[in-house]
Amino acid sequence: DIQMTQSPSSLSASVGDRVTITCRASQGIDKYLGWFQQKPGKAPKSLIYGASTLHYGVPSKFSGSGSGTDFTLTINSLQPEDFATYYCQQYSSYPLTFGGGTKVEIK
Amino acid sequence: QVQVQESGPGLVKPSQTLSLTCSVSGASIDSVSFCWNWIRQPAGKALEWLGRVCNTGSTNYNPSLKSRVTISIDTSMNQVSLTVTSVTAADTALYTCARDRVVGATRERYYYHIDVWGKGTTVAVSS
Repeated sequence: DIQMTQSPSSLSASVGDRVTITCRASQGIDKYLGWFQQKPGKAPKSLIYGASTLHYGVPSKFSGSGSGTDFTLTINSLQPEDFATYYCQQYSSYPLTFGGGTKVEIK
Repeated sequence: QVQVQESGPGLVKPSQTLSLTCSVSGASIDSVSFCWNWIRQPAGKALEWLGRVCNTGSTNYNPSLKSRVTISIDTSMNQVSLTVTSVTAADTALYTCARDRVVGATRERYYYHIDVWGKGTTVAVSS
């Protein structure tokens, strides 16, 4: 199985900040990586696939980059609705695997 | 707009079989463009992919659970089902159904990514 490692596991930020979350795959996955946002009690929301392509309706404040084993999710101008847990997930091979999550909290 | 709703018993006894249903509205489950996944998350732990089924009935399973998990599709009811046999307390989790769609292809295969999620249903395994 491909192991996905996210860092940090949590971070505190202020409204208006720019935050970056890192995801590392245990082996190369090309660009077959996605990012999800999850808020307490809500269904996860798909943000990005192909490492950098936004799903329909996702605001451009979210951006992704990377290829191979190292990936990043960047959120610009953090707003109250962005405080949530973010997960990366590889779909290069089965079984699909997820990172452990990064909780973005209000400072 | 596609909506996905999981349902099933919230409590299952150890050694018994867990059975859940995923009801889909707003889209036909019998589409070649989509497949349907089950994912679970124990409280405070990571997401775990259990497996998926496509409209043809073809499946992929997580080898860590393969012998206990069955995922099936009922196109007449627009539903996907999950069964997990011989459950233990370790199977206590939030179980979520999710759709994936083709987002890329090579000569060898298609690549699918999850674009729609249900809210999930909590299952506890306890006597």
